Amino acid sequence: LAKTTQPISMDSYEGQEVNITCSHNNIATNDYITWYQQFPSQGPRFIIQGYKTKVTNEVASLFIPADRKSSTLSLPRVSLSDTAVYYCLVGDILTGGGNKLTFGTGTQLKVEL
Amino acid sequence: SAVISQKPSRDICQRGTSLTIQCQVDSQVTMMFWYRQQPGQSLTLIATANQGSEATYESGFVIDKFPISRPNLTFSTLTVSNMSPEDSSIYLCSVEDWTGAVYGYTFGSGTRLTVV
Repeated sequence: LAKTTQPISMDSYEGQEVNITCSHNNIATNDYITWYQQFPSQGPRFIIQGYKTKVTNEVASLFIPADRKSSTLSLPRVSLSDTAVYYCLVGDILTGGGNKLTFGTGTQLKVEL
Repeated sequence: SAVISQKPSRDICQRGTSLTIQCQVDSQVTMMFWYRQQPGQSLTLIATANQGSEATYESGFVIDKFPISRPNLTFSTLTVSNMSPEDSSIYLCSVEDWTGAVYGYTFGSGTRLTVV
């Protein structure tokens, strides 16, 4: 599984856009990029997944450049409730049957008023 | 997506004792995963549990310390045996989950274990 590197922490203010970048230099051809969010005292929660270019859902956008060696999670207009740890994971989701997630350090996002 | 019920949500245990954590899923799943999250740290996979076979443990984790049961396709237990304060962590179970064309994992809310 490709190793990921992301900032340990980020600070922002309510209403701002937050971009969290993850490096995965040794990503493999079949690997997908998935982001999870974890609040205190809860298990991680799926946010978004992509393979290349851009993916957008009701929560976030995921930007993946052509070389796929990095990805950026974009959270539009954050609020206090977006304060959480965000994990970037890379792996071959298509093999199925026991593909295991390897969690990196994650990024602690703190949103203030 | 799958819904996971994990029990207990928290416990305080004496050193030397054992605690069994239960994980119930609302749908049949092939594999269940057990993770440990130490205070302020990321998640570390303990083992993968298949129904009808022995669990597969990751490096650094052994069956004698973390025995796992998987009696059917919706249930699993993880036991933390002969506990010491170093076992104080959050333990989480998870399952593979396909939602439309998206593949991910659903996690339980975790069991916060404190060993005194």
